[in-house]
Amino acid sequence: AQTVTQSQPEMSVQEAETVTLSCTYDTSESDYYLFWYKQPPSRQMILVIRQEAYKQQNATENRFSVNFQKAAKSFSLKISDSQLGDAAMYFCAYRSARNYQLIWGAGTKLIIKP
Amino acid sequence: EPEVTQTPSHQVTQMGQEVILRCVPISNHLYFYWYRQILGQKVEFLVSFYNNEISEKSEIFDDQFSVERPDGSNFTLKIRSTKLEDSAMYFCASGGVADSTGELFFGEGSRLTVL
Repeated sequence: AQTVTQSQPEMSVQEAETVTLSCTYDTSESDYYLFWYKQPPSRQMILVIRQEAYKQQNATENRFSVNFQKAAKSFSLKISDSQLGDAAMYFCAYRSARNYQLIWGAGTKLIIKP
Repeated sequence: EPEVTQTPSHQVTQMGQEVILRCVPISNHLYFYWYRQILGQKVEFLVSFYNNEISEKSEIFDDQFSVERPDGSNFTLKIRSTKLEDSAMYFCASGGVADSTGELFFGEGSRLTVL
């Protein structure tokens, strides 16, 4: 069975600095998707960035980028130029190519210090 | 932009009562999901629904739970006799088979409090 592990329950960063959130996963499949979702206090789950496993190039969305290491089964999220609005719970999630069921990590609470 | 909508945003109920949580998925999506998140814990998969039937369910999704797509637009989660441990945030999500990005779109969640 697939598992997703986020080893950092909480991270804090100074505004405008860069922070990296860690995620590792375990799977025997070769075709899958990885996601980072953000859950602000408003509680809605918002997609931050996605990565298809067959793509070697790391995904980037403005200030958000990932370091996808398929062999190491690692999928970290880098947030550059952190902003107060980035404060939220961040969840790493895995999805097999065979279905839409998401396997979730436990989440990392990101605190932005002004 | 199309979005998934959920009602109610918050429901308080007495233990043993029936609860129905409603979701309107994005109209051209074909896969529908319910997830729950107990306060302070990780998000857990409950059930997936495709082609008018359950395609997969977790061990959490026991006989007290049921899902239905009664009219082709709404997607409901019913809990027949609520227990204290059912208190959680329930998220509905939908995805489209033609969507090669693999993204699921989530609603804002329904917070259920069982007293």
